[in-house]
Amino acid sequence: EAGVAQSPRYKIIEKRQSVAFWCNPISGHATLYWYQQILGQGPKLLIQFQNNGVVDDSQLPKDRFSAERLKGVDSTLKIQPAKLEDSAVYLCASSGGTGGPDTQYFGPGTRLTVL
Amino acid sequence: GESVGLHLPTLSVQEGDNSIINCAYSNSASDYFIWYKQESGKGPQFIIDIRSNMDKRQGQRVTVLLNKTVKHLSLQIAATQPGDSAVYFCAENADAGNNRKLIWGLGTSLAVNP
Repeated sequence: EAGVAQSPRYKIIEKRQSVAFWCNPISGHATLYWYQQILGQGPKLLIQFQNNGVVDDSQLPKDRFSAERLKGVDSTLKIQPAKLEDSAVYLCASSGGTGGPDTQYFGPGTRLTVL
Repeated sequence: GESVGLHLPTLSVQEGDNSIINCAYSNSASDYFIWYKQESGKGPQFIIDIRSNMDKRQGQRVTVLLNKTVKHLSLQIAATQPGDSAVYFCAENADAGNNRKLIWGLGTSLAVNP
């Protein structure tokens, strides 16, 4: 089966600009996650969707970050305005298929550099 | 070679040797554990998992051991190859109210010397 797709793979912006990332989960996976990964650290969950509803967004900086999954499939994560400390890799993952509800499968990530 | 993921984040082994990567988890209520491999520039890749009703599970060249008494998890890689060079993360999954959360360890970098 096809894996989790993300785009773009790389993005360089200046602080105070806005940016959006796109994710297409594995077909049939009801749960979708967005993570932020700082170099050398484990992923930090930003938001979790179950179908098109938000299950957990407790660590999402809501003053500047937003995410949506309108039709319960694709999702977008937006940052507006970006800060220097937002430089990181943004990972999308999905779960809920034959691998079981707990096994998360990750996309390649989008590496964001904020100058 | 062997490492404690939280205290020695880098493990260097010779090609062909066995590697052991250790992880101490935090939540005694965690009932599902996963090892991920992350190569440079890629997302984490699922390697193997184990549920809390087991203490050992084997895959292809990999074995995960779970010791619930001391909340310790280990990943053993047999006949380590250069392609095994990556950062390895353990993750624990536990109920958090009406949701299950994945809690990530700090990661251990494995370097395989040819």
